Amino acid sequence: AQTVTQSQPEMSVQEAETVTLSCTYDTSENNYYLFWYKQPPSRQMILVIRQEAYKQQNATENRFSVNFQKAAKSFSLKISDSQLGDTAMYFCAFMKGAGNMLTFGGGTRLMVKP
Amino acid sequence: DTGVSQDPRHKITKRGQNVTFRCDPISEHNRLYWYRQTLGQGPEFLTYFQNEAQLEKSRLLSDRFSAERPKGSFSTLEIQRTEQGDSAMYLCASSQTQMYYGYTFGSGTRLTVV
Repeated sequence: AQTVTQSQPEMSVQEAETVTLSCTYDTSENNYYLFWYKQPPSRQMILVIRQEAYKQQNATENRFSVNFQKAAKSFSLKISDSQLGDTAMYFCAFMKGAGNMLTFGGGTRLMVKP
Repeated sequence: DTGVSQDPRHKITKRGQNVTFRCDPISEHNRLYWYRQTLGQGPEFLTYFQNEAQLEKSRLLSDRFSAERPKGSFSTLEIQRTEQGDSAMYLCASSQTQMYYGYTFGSGTRLTVV
């Protein structure tokens, strides 16, 4: 079974600064996908960024980028130029390559301060 | 198509009562998922459908829980004889067959059992 661990229950950052959220996972699979989802207060969960394990290049989506370290089983999310709208719960998630189920971490609550 | 819709948004019920939730996925998505999220935790997988077939169920889905997806369109999740431990957010998500692009989540149904 796969496990996903987010070791930072809460984090805060000043507006316009950069913050990194940590995620580690445990799996014996070689082919898999990793995701970061954002869940704003009382709003639906939305996909922020995804990474295929077979790709060495780190994924980037505008202000969001990941640092994927396959050997270390680490998948951190970097948010640059933080904005007030980035305030949310952030969940790291894992999916096997031939699977269909997402396994989520416990989440990190991010507060962006003005 | 405005995304994944869930109804109701909130449900308060007395212990022992039955409740039913509905999910309308994105029309071109043939896969539909149910997750449960307790306060401060990441979502946990309950079950998933491909078209009308229920292909996987979590051990979390006790005999009191049943899900259906008639005709491969909307889905219902019923909880019989509710218990206080059933209080949670119930999330529905849908995806295309190539599910590794991630799910689209609905806003969830928050169940409170009193």
